Amino acid sequence: AQKITQTQPGMFVQEKEAVTLDCTYDTSDPSYGLFWYKQPSSGEMIFLIYQGSYDQQNATEGRYSLNFQKARKSANLVISASQLGDSAMYFCAMREVSGNTPLVFGKGTRLSVIA
Amino acid sequence: ETGVTQTPRHLVMGMTNKKSLKCEQHLGHNAMYWYKQSAKKPLELMFVYNFKEQTENNSVPSRFSPECPNSSHLFLHLHTLQPEDSALYLCASSQDPRGSYNEQFFGPGTRLTVL
Repeated sequence: AQKITQTQPGMFVQEKEAVTLDCTYDTSDPSYGLFWYKQPSSGEMIFLIYQGSYDQQNATEGRYSLNFQKARKSANLVISASQLGDSAMYFCAMREVSGNTPLVFGKGTRLSVIA
Repeated sequence: ETGVTQTPRHLVMGMTNKKSLKCEQHLGHNAMYWYKQSAKKPLELMFVYNFKEQTENNSVPSRFSPECPNSSHLFLHLHTLQPEDSALYLCASSQDPRGSYNEQFFGPGTRLTVL
């Protein structure tokens, strides 16, 4: 069964606008962590933001915020004030603690920021 | 120095060749990982090393042979590869593979083409 689902293969957003990238996950482990990574065309995966399953508040890191809805098992990434440099692939990932499993990645969403 | 380096960045090899990919991390981490990223597929975990010991092998064919001489270096030895092995190979490291917060730092990847 797919653990991480990213339903948007590609997204477009106007520069300076906000955009939400969707991520849903599947787990029965009560303790887990959710991650978002950015992969520009250069190939390197860049860590953006982390949300723990027991965190009470949504994570924020600069222009990135994570809309964590635990009951819905969703962890959407919100990028505010989009910049041209935000154009990249974005991957959602999850790690289950109890099973000591490694990070599992979704298929990614390609974001294109247009001027 | 950048956190995780990989060499070479690009590699073209024939099916009968033997080559090695190298990864080095300068972050003092204990765990290192090899991932394969093929077009239109999620990132696939191949191997995990924790304190130089292999802790994960995701049913990877024996034509891929990892080596971890110390916590800072990780190699992937390649022999008798197939064209479908062409992909971006990413190396990553983390402080500890356990626990929900397991931020992994990635290298820039090696783009491998098998002819």
